[in-house]
Amino acid sequence: AQKVTQAQTEISVVEKEDVTLDCVYETRDTTYYLFWYKQPPSGELVFLIRRNSFDEQNEISGRYSWNFQKSTSSFNFTITASQVVDSAVYFCALSELPPYTGANSKLTFGKGITLSVRP
Amino acid sequence: GAGVSQSPSNKVTEKGKDVELRCDPISGHTALYWYRQSLGQGLEFLIYFQGNSAPDKSGLPSDRFSAERTGGSVSTLTIQRTQQEDSAVYLCASSLGQYPEQFFGPGTRLTVL
Repeated sequence: AQKVTQAQTEISVVEKEDVTLDCVYETRDTTYYLFWYKQPPSGELVFLIRRNSFDEQNEISGRYSWNFQKSTSSFNFTITASQVVDSAVYFCALSELPPYTGANSKLTFGKGITLSVRP
Repeated sequence: GAGVSQSPSNKVTEKGKDVELRCDPISGHTALYWYRQSLGQGLEFLIYFQGNSAPDKSGLPSDRFSAERTGGSVSTLTIQRTQQEDSAVYLCASSLGQYPEQFFGPGTRLTVL
């Protein structure tokens, strides 16, 4: 069975602080995908990033960066110089690597981390 | 619009009534998923469609829940004889198939009184 743990439930920071959101996962699959989604107060889940289990390169996109470590089953997300607009609930998710294009990639989500960025 | 759309955005119903929730996926997306988001259970998978077929219905919580998809596009999630524990936000997502990331609609907030 797959499991995603986001141990932090709520984080509050002051604008311009850096913040790291932790994600630890469990799976028996040897190949899988990891994702981060953002859910702002409007409610719609917004896709942020996907990583393959066989690609451990860290990634930076603007103020966002992701640290994937297979050895510790972690996929952490850092926001540099946080802004008020970053306030949202952030979900980490896991799916099995589908055996063929279009196969089932249902997501297993963590409980989410509520990030509040104060001006 | 180019995104996933869902209707209605809000639905209030009385216990015991049937409800239908609709999802319009992104055009050309062959895979469609339904999830449920509730305070107690978080985000839970309900059902997966590939085209009009539903090879994975493992997340449907009871036989009061059913879903169909027609024309490889629109999907309807039906809940019969609603119960208070069905109150949640029902989210629909679609993906292109060759890429696993799913794009979500705004959800339908269901309240069962």
